[in-house]
Amino acid sequence: QVQLQESGPGLVKPSGTLSLTCAVSGGSISSSNWWSWVRQPPGKGLEWIGEIYHSGSTNYNPSLKSRVTISVDKSKNQFSLKLSSVTAADTAVYYCARVLSVHDAFDIWGQGTMVTVSS
Amino acid sequence: QSALTQPASVSGSPGQSITISCTGTSSDVGGYNYVSWYQQHPGKAPKLMIYEVSNRPSGVPDRFSGSKSGNTASLTISGLQAEDEADYYCSSYTSSSTRVVFGGGTKLTVL
Repeated sequence: QVQLQESGPGLVKPSGTLSLTCAVSGGSISSSNWWSWVRQPPGKGLEWIGEIYHSGSTNYNPSLKSRVTISVDKSKNQFSLKLSSVTAADTAVYYCARVLSVHDAFDIWGQGTMVTVSS
Repeated sequence: QSALTQPASVSGSPGQSITISCTGTSSDVGGYNYVSWYQQHPGKAPKLMIYEVSNRPSGVPDRFSGSKSGNTASLTISGLQAEDEADYYCSSYTSSSTRVVFGGGTKLTVL
């Protein structure tokens, strides 16, 4: 069964770039699924960040689009998130997730990784 | 403010049934059958409970059911159990550039 695992620094300085990777195991990132990033600030709800297909096609949340880059590395079976010019408002648990099918639900989630933006 | 509106909290006793609503617009909930529901226990990742309005993934008890009427989707949990106590989030595809919207979440308390 497919499993997802996020990794990356837990602390990022203000104005810096947040970088996370999601490793896909038990399946291929080149399957007919989109792959997403979702975040959750402490004590708050879920926010969709964006998604990528193995071809490299991407869609981003317009509220973050100017700062977000999602990429895929098929050779390593993983995809990544970069969020630039971070502020304290970007402090959150970041989840990677598999999209069931186009426009559809997130059926598999990583365990999440907490990223704090602080000097 | 979340794009989809959910009640902040609901409660019920073991064995009872509860329903959580999720209200959107014709651009999301009302316009597409891509409504999903997630259960989240404290400190854990969300878990998919319902997709495409009323479908249950393998392994999800049939006590959980979903429906939609107009711009409002609903999650019903029957035969409440203690382990159902969690936060529940709805989500929908949207024709806006945002593509995916979530509700603000509902805290379910099993009394």
